[in-house]
Amino acid sequence: DTAVSQTPKYLVTQMGNDKSIKCEQNLGHDTMYWYKQDSKKFLKIMFSYNNKELIINETVPNRFSPKSPDKAHLNLHINSLELGDSAVYFCASSQVRLGTPYEQYFGPGTRLTVT
Amino acid sequence: DQQVKQNSPSLSVQEGRISILNCDYTNSMFDYFLWYKKYPAEGPTFLISISSIKDKNEDGRFTVFLNKSAKHLSLHIVPSQPGDSAVYFCAASDQRGKLIFGQGTELSVKP
Repeated sequence: DTAVSQTPKYLVTQMGNDKSIKCEQNLGHDTMYWYKQDSKKFLKIMFSYNNKELIINETVPNRFSPKSPDKAHLNLHINSLELGDSAVYFCASSQVRLGTPYEQYFGPGTRLTVT
Repeated sequence: DQQVKQNSPSLSVQEGRISILNCDYTNSMFDYFLWYKKYPAEGPTFLISISSIKDKNEDGRFTVFLNKSAKHLSLHIVPSQPGDSAVYFCAASDQRGKLIFGQGTELSVKP
């Protein structure tokens, strides 16, 4: 009964390929996020969706396209993969309530390696 | 331009002693601050948070202190246990719920 799950856990692919990472949460949260943790270990937000609507888009190349078919899912599709896309990608979810700190619950991460 | 900074990449502490992890930020508009703990090959897990209108929040062995004038917060763990060994991330939240993370401090608690 994992709260936030991601598949696959590891992904090795060649430059130029297109790949997707899936995320599902069973917490009933209304907001989902994608983060990238680079080689320097910085965790940076890429996208945020609230009730299937995009609310945060952080200057991410348009090769990255998030898709939210419903509140419980937020998938990340990456076109024309580049070496610099190698990183660990984390999905997270939270329940937005005004006056609270938006505690986010993270998935286990997907380690993407582009060769 | 890193808005949230953790200047110590690592910290080693003896079991039973206090661990103090520090975090500095630059944006005075942040309204919440959070600490996350991360084990290898796992996602970060929420530990404790503090509102910008408070200066202290305590939860068991974990206490977070906020000094707004200095734009500084710290996480105190006492007593430290070997199971506390992990990477600790400080994060600041803006009004949209966007979290900005520091680069983490790796805590090692030695028996």
